[in-house]
Amino acid sequence: NAGVTQTPKFRVLKTGQSMTLLCAQDMNHEYMYWYRQDPGMGLRLIHYSVGEGTTAKGEVPDGYNVSRLKKQNFLLGLESAAPSQTSVYFCASSYGGAGLTGELFFGEGSRLTVL
Amino acid sequence: GEDVEQSLFLSVREGDSSVINCTYTDSSSTYLYWYKQEPGAGLQLLTYIFSNMDMKQDQRLTVLLNKKDKHLSLRIADTQTGDSAIYFCAERGNTGGFKTIFGAGTRLFVKA
Repeated sequence: NAGVTQTPKFRVLKTGQSMTLLCAQDMNHEYMYWYRQDPGMGLRLIHYSVGEGTTAKGEVPDGYNVSRLKKQNFLLGLESAAPSQTSVYFCASSYGGAGLTGELFFGEGSRLTVL
Repeated sequence: GEDVEQSLFLSVREGDSSVINCTYTDSSSTYLYWYKQEPGAGLQLLTYIFSNMDMKQDQRLTVLLNKKDKHLSLRIADTQTGDSAIYFCAERGNTGGFKTIFGAGTRLFVKA
């Protein structure tokens, strides 16, 4: 009963390095989301996807790229990490669409530190 | 754009009621939510209310919605130390990928 799984859970990067966070869900959800959580700012939406092969920008997309090649996976990439990207990243998924409650199912988070 | 605001801290004594308040700006919100985050974990849905409802009760939880003032509140009766967590208010619009917008979260401290 995995739900939403994020890897890695912790990572330390140097400024300018690149990395990819992987999110996998086994609930056959259409919609997937990447949020970042910073103290006093709650969760801010980075990018989201409403289906396989589609992506869209959220509130804070700069410096990130995403891909949704398979329905169950949503990847978040940092091409050139900056200290401002130090944060806890959460992936979430939902059934999505009108007429549904839109409950989000979250992963446990990935803590990223950029030095 | 859409915005959700809530106070950052609340401290109550065990056994008292807790009331966490939230305001939102998107008048097209269809669902409003309360999520709970325990230390080191992701968020979990606590309860939600559909925008055409005024109130929803679920055991110790009461959600009140004032759509005219765009105000949402969560009341936890008989607050326990296990209720200590961060509570996020969130709203979902009806378009644009049905994005869920979160407030900054209210950290609830429950004193024994």
